[in-house]
Amino acid sequence: QQQVKQSPQSLIVQKGGISIINCAYENTAFDYFPWYQQFPGKGPALLIAIRPDVSEKKEGRFTISFNKSAKQFSLHIMDSQPGDSATYFCAASLYNNAGNMLTFGGGTRLMVKP
Amino acid sequence: DAGVIQSPRHEVTEMGQEVTLRCKPISGHNSLFWYRQTMMRGLELLIYFNNNVPIDDSGMPEDRFSAKMPNASFSTLKIQPSEPRDSAVYFCASSLYPYGYTFGSGTRLTVV
Repeated sequence: QQQVKQSPQSLIVQKGGISIINCAYENTAFDYFPWYQQFPGKGPALLIAIRPDVSEKKEGRFTISFNKSAKQFSLHIMDSQPGDSATYFCAASLYNNAGNMLTFGGGTRLMVKP
Repeated sequence: DAGVIQSPRHEVTEMGQEVTLRCKPISGHNSLFWYRQTMMRGLELLIYFNNNVPIDDSGMPEDRFSAKMPNASFSTLKIQPSEPRDSAVYFCASSLYPYGYTFGSGTRLTVV
């Protein structure tokens, strides 16, 4: 059962534009929602994460918006740059010290055109 | 810190051979995860350990796959016998509550 659904699968954005990637989850027990960025030939790297007690978190050009009632969260990349071209994964998990078993979305391949 | 270290980076083997992938987690991290990534199935969790103990191996495809974590600084994922459909990139990741995962650079496995 896919517990985290991610869309779109691919996205093309012009340089300077806003990239938006959406995720929806099913398990209401999830309380930790990170986004990972993966470049070709590399492992995914933590980009930004949010807990459900806030509705938005911003770090530089990257913002997570979280809607607990809708069980949805999204990543916004402002002023998108060609260097942002990568695959982005949303994820969700329980947040405790027993081992955070992340469930990943299917990934979004972002291309930012110069 | 050198991060999560995986070896080898690339492995090409013939069908039926045994393959062993290795992982050294970040020192002090108490959880370790093995993932497999393919175009068709994305990132799949195979197994994870907490304090060196296997917690959930429900993602291990079949008995041909096995994983061990003999101590806090080393883990292996073994495939015996290997099959062409096992070809994928295998990632190891480690974490320490309350921080997120750190992934290794992966092992690209090709079974011919």
